[in-house]
Amino acid sequence: DVKVTQSSRYLVKRTGEKVFLECVQDMDHENMFWYRQDPGLGLRLIYFSYDVKMKEKGDIPEGYSVSREKKERFSLILESASTNQTSMYLCASSLGGLTDTQYFGPGTRLTVL
Amino acid sequence: AQRVTQPEKLLSVFKGAPVELKCNYSYSGSPELFWYVQYSRQRLQLLLRHISRESIKGFTADLNKGETSFHLKKPFAQEEDSAMYYCALLANSNYQLIWGAGTKLIIKP
Repeated sequence: DVKVTQSSRYLVKRTGEKVFLECVQDMDHENMFWYRQDPGLGLRLIYFSYDVKMKEKGDIPEGYSVSREKKERFSLILESASTNQTSMYLCASSLGGLTDTQYFGPGTRLTVL
Repeated sequence: AQRVTQPEKLLSVFKGAPVELKCNYSYSGSPELFWYVQYSRQRLQLLLRHISRESIKGFTADLNKGETSFHLKKPFAQEEDSAMYYCALLANSNYQLIWGAGTKLIIKP
């Protein structure tokens, strides 16, 4: 059974803080993704990674960066958090081909004050 | 432009009634479509994908290229079907999933 875990379920930060969201998968998946989920907007892809140290921008990368130093871990970084980054953040992973099923983590609800 | 449209934000039906969640897409290539579901306090998970042509939890979805639709159907709704449903399109150009805004399905007892 695929397990995707995220470091926090809830996080409250202040404007301007640097925020790290961690995601770990235990199934040796090649691909990992970061989305934000907002009501009425569905899921929007921030960044994805298809290999260690490789990353690709998604639809809304501005204000975010990512790091994938190890295959199982994919970090999302908010360099200077802003209130419009208050959202639910979902991490996902998929096996090999980019068409493979994505398995999601439980999500991190980030509030930026 | 690549787009997925779920016209209903909220759909409420009685238990035992048929359910149809609408999904329309805009894509110039050969589409690959998915339905994902998120039950209350659970993580988002794949429900079905059109290439599998299978029925999951009584749900089916048929790709209609003429109408550019991939509606999700179930003949008799159950209370445990209450959830958020997302339709997604795989863009073969960059292998990214394009998501609809989601439909919240509520099954009334």
